[in-house]
Amino acid sequence: DTAVSQTPKYLVTQMGNDKSIKCEQNLGHDTMYWYKQDSKKFLKIMFSYNNKELIINETVPNRFSPKSPDKAHLNLHINSLELGDSAVYFCASSQAAQTHYGYTFGSGTRLTVV
Amino acid sequence: AQKVTQAQTEISVVEKEDVTLDCVYETRDTTYYLFWYKQPPSGELVFLIRRNSFDEQNEISGRYSWNFQKSTSSFNFTITASQVVDSAVYFCALSDDGGSNYKLTFGKGTLLTVNP
Repeated sequence: DTAVSQTPKYLVTQMGNDKSIKCEQNLGHDTMYWYKQDSKKFLKIMFSYNNKELIINETVPNRFSPKSPDKAHLNLHINSLELGDSAVYFCASSQAAQTHYGYTFGSGTRLTVV
Repeated sequence: AQKVTQAQTEISVVEKEDVTLDCVYETRDTTYYLFWYKQPPSGELVFLIRRNSFDEQNEISGRYSWNFQKSTSSFNFTITASQVVDSAVYFCALSDDGGSNYKLTFGKGTLLTVNP
């Protein structure tokens, strides 16, 4: 199926651990994003990559490090996890960096830090 | 700076009622795009509509309709004859025309509960 897929769907981990979330899209899109949705459902962009190049970094702690090995993949690595990192993380892609094409979102990864 | 305001945090209706979700936006750009997304209880984000700033025609898709008014910077969403399956969080979002700003700015969402 054509889609944006992210793994894992659920992630429960202890404070201080390091974890990664993977995202892949097979839509042929050039641009990929990570969004964070907090407990109040607010969606906020974290990062954006266009053809493997970082184009948006929205004042995210440097414990968060995105990596894009190719334009179909955008992974998110988080070091030294904190309680406040608990959220749902959405990966998305769009045809190009001009976001008027809209986004296709993955199904989300619910991260719980205990 | 871009801003999207969804003043209604929660709305509760009874099935078959019509309901309108409000969205007010702010942008300095003359070219911009507006979106609505649906997030059902299962959690995924579902694209509903995209509208560009030059097209003020209202749009209807089945029970869904959208009213875009540049004069009031609003892009409201109406569900006619609501159903329980419409229960979800609905997000309005804004994007300018590329330039140096490559992101969608979302409103805080409106939780719609449709009761049987």
